[in-house]
Amino acid sequence: AQSVTQPDIHITVSEGASLELRCNYSYGATPYLFWYVQSPGQGLQLLLKYFSGDTLVQGIKGFEAEFKRSQSSFNLRKPSVHWSDAAEYFCAVGAGQAGTALIFGKGTTLSVSS
Amino acid sequence: DAGVIQSPRHEVTEMGQEVTLRCKPISGHDYLFWYRQTMMRGLELLIYFNNNVPIDDSGMPEDRFSAKMPNASFSTLKIQPSEPRDSAVYFCASSPPLGQGKTGELFFGEGSRLTVL
Repeated sequence: AQSVTQPDIHITVSEGASLELRCNYSYGATPYLFWYVQSPGQGLQLLLKYFSGDTLVQGIKGFEAEFKRSQSSFNLRKPSVHWSDAAEYFCAVGAGQAGTALIFGKGTTLSVSS
Repeated sequence: DAGVIQSPRHEVTEMGQEVTLRCKPISGHDYLFWYRQTMMRGLELLIYFNNNVPIDDSGMPEDRFSAKMPNASFSTLKIQPSEPRDSAVYFCASSPPLGQGKTGELFFGEGSRLTVL
């Protein structure tokens, strides 16, 4: 069965510092992979996605993620964190009919300190 | 363009009452999903539809839960009778057809926060 693991429940980063959020997935075929962000009381917004091609994908708000098939990972990175990046981040893998229903990880809460 | 619209945004009810959550997907999207979010279990897929037909309802917790999609622009998730453990945020999401460069990205509504006392 498909699954997603986000090992870090909560991370605190200083403003201006770099960020890496970890994501590991389990899926038998070539996965569709996504990172979403959720601000308090809001729905989920797509940051970026990978489905084929270049393994380094760029997203909105200065985020990027790298797909590493050998490690079954899709880690999210940002070179310099802003206070407005504080939110909850979810990694997801496409399952079912060619990547329709998404299976989500439990999420990582990012706090940004000044 | 309007996004996915959910109503109500907040619902407080008493145990045993019927609850109906509503969702209007983005026009042209042919997939619709219902997810439930809790602190303990995270985001769980409850059910999803393709062209108004339920494809997978294996995530529906029990018979008290039911979902319908009578047409392409409307879906409901009903809980009858409701219990305190149903308290959660329920999200509806829609997705455009696969192929033609589309990759199954989900577009989420803002959620319906349900509290069952």
